[in-house]
Amino acid sequence: DAKTTQPPSMDCAEGRAANLPCNHSTISGNEYVYWYRQIHSQGPQYIIHGLKNNETNEMASLIITEDRKSSTLILPHATLRDTAVYYCIVRANRDDKIIFGKGTRLHILP
Amino acid sequence: DAGVIQSPRHEVTEMGQEVTLRCKPISGHDYLFWYRQTMMRGLELLIYFNNNVPIDDSGMPEDRFSAKMPNASFSTLKIQPSEPRDSAVYFCASSFQGSPPYEQYFGPGTRLTVT
Repeated sequence: DAKTTQPPSMDCAEGRAANLPCNHSTISGNEYVYWYRQIHSQGPQYIIHGLKNNETNEMASLIITEDRKSSTLILPHATLRDTAVYYCIVRANRDDKIIFGKGTRLHILP
Repeated sequence: DAGVIQSPRHEVTEMGQEVTLRCKPISGHDYLFWYRQTMMRGLELLIYFNNNVPIDDSGMPEDRFSAKMPNASFSTLKIQPSEPRDSAVYFCASSFQGSPPYEQYFGPGTRLTVT
């Protein structure tokens, strides 16, 4: 079973920052938070991951709370192409499996 | 690199027929994963391989499903006999576990319809 809880859907206006929350209250000390997204009719795509520090790459930023029980994925300037299902996943970094939950369906509104 | 390649992209077959799905992972990747996605059950891990050896097949639904990886550049997922409830999108993914972030790269999927 997925170890994370996400809202089933969210809306965001185009050009605004999209903030996607994720709860992972049972996360272990050696487990990372990973984010993937799945655009319609495509396979999932890796976005970003982190352990306890905030992380940023060309796609997004990841903010992890100090107690590591929750995190937020931030898409700084959402575009229509960011419409997708976003999955928050907890896994030990060298663990083999990814267990996908139901994710958050993000709608970017023009 | 061309990414993970899956074939066919679409497959329509009749109940009882054998179905073979194919996957070519990214060169140099040492892990290969097979997933199934349906509206009801979401994205499920079926089986995965490390260096061509099956590691965990606990997600395989039943004996009608089998997967092989004869070499590092090719894997198959076979369903025999197929049933309508096998209709789904089947994804193959590969990854390199030698260095972080251990991300999985997914193929475009095969949409299977069993009538």
